[in-house]
Amino acid sequence: QVHLVASGGGVVQPGRSLRLSCAGSGFTFNAYGMHWVRQAPGKGLEWVALISNDGSKRYYADTVEGRFTISRDNSKNTFYLQMSSLTTEDTAIYYCAKDQGDIAAPDYWGQGILVTVSS
Amino acid sequence: SYELTQPPSVSVSPGQTARITCSGDALPKRYAYWYQQKSGQAPVLVIFEDNKRPSGISERFSGSSSGTLATLTISGAQVDDEADYFCYSRDSSDTHRRVFGGGTKLTVL
Repeated sequence: QVHLVASGGGVVQPGRSLRLSCAGSGFTFNAYGMHWVRQAPGKGLEWVALISNDGSKRYYADTVEGRFTISRDNSKNTFYLQMSSLTTEDTAIYYCAKDQGDIAAPDYWGQGILVTVSS
Repeated sequence: SYELTQPPSVSVSPGQTARITCSGDALPKRYAYWYQQKSGQAPVLVIFEDNKRPSGISERFSGSSSGTLATLTISGAQVDDEADYFCYSRDSSDTHRRVFGGGTKLTVL
C-alpha cells in the first residue's frame, strides 16, 4: 500500500534554513504529483506547495513563495521541501502527500513531521 | 487571496444526518474535495471531485456541489465520525494555488 515517510524536521532558529524529505513507496512514484501541507499547532490545514510528476510544474502558497522550494528525485522516490528565511509563523507539522493524479488533490498522506522555529 | 469558508462547528446526535458546507467563489468551476482528520492523525480523503467516494470510505459519506456551495453529508452519524473536516479546492485563475477551508469540528453526542 502507499507509504510516505517524512524526515528532516526539528528545531531551527529564525532566519535559518531547513530541508524536509519525503520518501514514497507502494506506488509508481514518477506518475504522481506530490504536495506539502502544514498545520500550525491547534490550527487548520494550510496547503504549501505542489510539484508535478516530472518536476516541470511547481506551485506555491503566497505565504511561502520565494522562501520555499519544492523538488523531487524520481530515481530515489523522494521529494523535498527546502525552506529558507524561516520565521516563527512557519512552526507547524508538515505533511507530505501524494496527489490523486498529476496536479489534482492529495489522496494519501504521510504521518507528518514537526518543524519548530524558535530562538 | 482565494478563501473557502466553513462553519467552525456542527453538532448532531448519533443516527442523525450531519451536513458540513464549504463556500467559495470558484466552486462553480472547480472540484471540491473533503478530508477527515481525527485528533493526532493525518487527514484522510473522504470525497473527491465533488461527489466521488474513495474505496474503503463508508457509503454514509456523500458530497454534492451547487453553485458556490459544496456540501459534505454524513448519514447516520456515529460517534466514530467525530473529527475535523476540511474542504479543499483551487481558485479559478491560472495561479494554480490550492486552498483548504478553515475546518469544521463535527461533534456527535
